[in-house]
Amino acid sequence: DAGVIQSPRHEVTEMGQEVTLRCKPISGHDYLFWYRQTMMRGLELLIYFNNNVPIDDSGMPEDRFSAKMPNASFSTLKIQPSEPRDSAVYFCASSSRGRDTQYFGPGTRLTVL
Amino acid sequence: AQSVTQPDIHITVSEGASLELRCNYSYGATPYLFWYVQSPGQGLQLLLKYFSGDTLVQGIKGFEAEFKRSQSSFNLRKPSVHWSDAAEYFCAVALGDYKLSFGAGTTVTVRA
Repeated sequence: DAGVIQSPRHEVTEMGQEVTLRCKPISGHDYLFWYRQTMMRGLELLIYFNNNVPIDDSGMPEDRFSAKMPNASFSTLKIQPSEPRDSAVYFCASSSRGRDTQYFGPGTRLTVL
Repeated sequence: AQSVTQPDIHITVSEGASLELRCNYSYGATPYLFWYVQSPGQGLQLLLKYFSGDTLVQGIKGFEAEFKRSQSSFNLRKPSVHWSDAAEYFCAVALGDYKLSFGAGTTVTVRA
């Protein structure tokens, strides 16, 4: 298996622009998680899905952030409009069971100027 | 709310020396416990995990960790570090709601 795939790996955009991050989980995994990593706050869970349904989005910082999972093999995290404080590394992870091992993608490094 | 504490922000160790990274959690029940490693510019890779049973668990790359309920700890150890072990290490806890709560991480530097 190719593991969790994320794209793009790097994104540089200007404040106010829309940013879309993409994730393909490991085939057969029912859970998908989006995390954000910053120096100040460390690793934070933003949202997670089970069987394509959002279960807990309490970590989403504000309405500018939205996430979707239209099918079992694809998820997006969108920021609109983006702000400089959104600059971070965004990780996607998937697992086959809720409390089992989460497999992380390589991350998307987002820079908002 | 549960919390995970990694008291050491940065550890420097000589190649060939032993390494121990500390992790403490605060929660009434026994959580699922994990150690992940992150190399620069990379995602997180699972080193080992503890769910139940034997409190000493073996992981990849020669790492092991011991769960001590009385101390609410899950410390990571390696008898002899290699230069390739230089990375950031994260302890994480998963409770009934499936969410992973991560510690702040410990950066390990290996000197020749």
